[in-house]
Parts: sequence; structure tokens; C-alpha cells
Amino acid sequence: GIQVEQSPPDLILQEGANSTLRCNFSDSVNNLQWFHQNPWGQLINLFYIPSGTKQNGRLSATTVATERYSLLYISSSQTTDSGVYFCAVESGGSNYKLTFGKGTLLTVNP
Amino acid sequence: DTAVSQTPKYLVTQMGNDKSIKCEQNLGHDTMYWYKQDSKKFLKIMFSYNNKELIINETVPNRFSPKSPDKAHLNLHINSLELGDSAVYFCASSPVLGQDNTEAFFGQGTRLTVV
Repeated sequence: GIQVEQSPPDLILQEGANSTLRCNFSDSVNNLQWFHQNPWGQLINLFYIPSGTKQNGRLSATTVATERYSLLYISSSQTTDSGVYFCAVESGGSNYKLTFGKGTLLTVNP
Repeated sequence: DTAVSQTPKYLVTQMGNDKSIKCEQNLGHDTMYWYKQDSKKFLKIMFSYNNKELIINETVPNRFSPKSPDKAHLNLHINSLELGDSAVYFCASSPVLGQDNTEAFFGQGTRLTVV
């Protein structure tokens, strides 16, 4: 099945700093999503982005489908950005399921 | 309005018991899922249902039996609970594959603890 690798596994930032999270995947995808799992365990949809670039406030994401990677940018980080960020993909060979990466644990210190 | 809701949020039970987790979505989606998140936070698919029909059973033990009475509901029943079943279980839904947007939405999770 498709492989999804996220980097870095852990990231510690000072409030106000910028960061880039990366997601590499091993096959073409129909769906790519970024999620934020907050400290209460909720999985919050950030972006649905199988290709192209999207922005939502301080967050933006870019997926280069031909090169099989996606990037999540967080600017001016806040303590509420802390949590685990997951990339998940659905590929033509793995219909009807999202395959998740292992996540990036982000800690933003005040 | 909660889009995907699952109950209960917390479940503590003894080994050997049988328990159920309920899930409902009001998004009009055709496809529903159960995912398991282990202690290392890894999320893995368990089951996928499309229009009440089982599509994926990802080598889950027979003790786990999903039931979809209609497109908006997918319940998970677990028999003879074991310590290793302790995890967070997430329900999710999405539009059917083939549509332009197949974005999946997740419930708030059910933390199951088997003692």
C-alpha cells in the first residue's frame, strides 16, 4: 500500500516563529488532507489539498502531486498551535481509506 | 451542529465484556469509517462502509463487528474485550470516491480503556 512519511517527528518553537512541516507519499493520490490533533484529542481538518496551494489565516499548504510531497506552513505560531499534525492520503490503489503518516508533534512555548 | 458525532466519549470496562460505540453523521455522506489510534498516536483504518455496504475490513479480529443500519449511522460492537483493545476509536465520513471533493471529517473520538 501507499507509504506516508512526515518530517520532522518533533518540533519545538518559540511563540511567533514560523515552521514548515513536510509530508512525502509513495504513490499518486486522489485525496490529501492535513489535520491538527489538539491536546484534547480532536482531529481538526486544516486542508483538503490533493494538489495546488491553499491558505487559511496563518496556515497555508502546498501539494506538488507530481513530486509526491506536501508542505504545511505555520506562520507566527501561537501556543494554541501545539499538538500533532497529521498528513493523510487516499490513493487510487487504496480506495475508501485514508492512510496516515505518523505525525509531527509541535510544541509552541510562550 | 456536530457533523460527525460518536458516543460515548469515554468508555472504561473490564476484560471480557461486550461494548458498543455509536456514530452518526449529518453531512449526507455515503461513506463512513472506523479508525483506531494506538498509544503512539498512530491512526489506522479498521473498516470502511459505502452506502451501508462493507468495503474494507483491514484484518480486524472477528470480535469487532461494525453495523450500518443506514447511510448516516455506523456503529461498532466489540465482543470479549481484551487489554490490547484499549485505544481511541474514531468514526469518520466522506463523500463517495469519484466526486470532486472527498474530504473526510472525523468524530471527537471514543477513548476505550479495558481494565
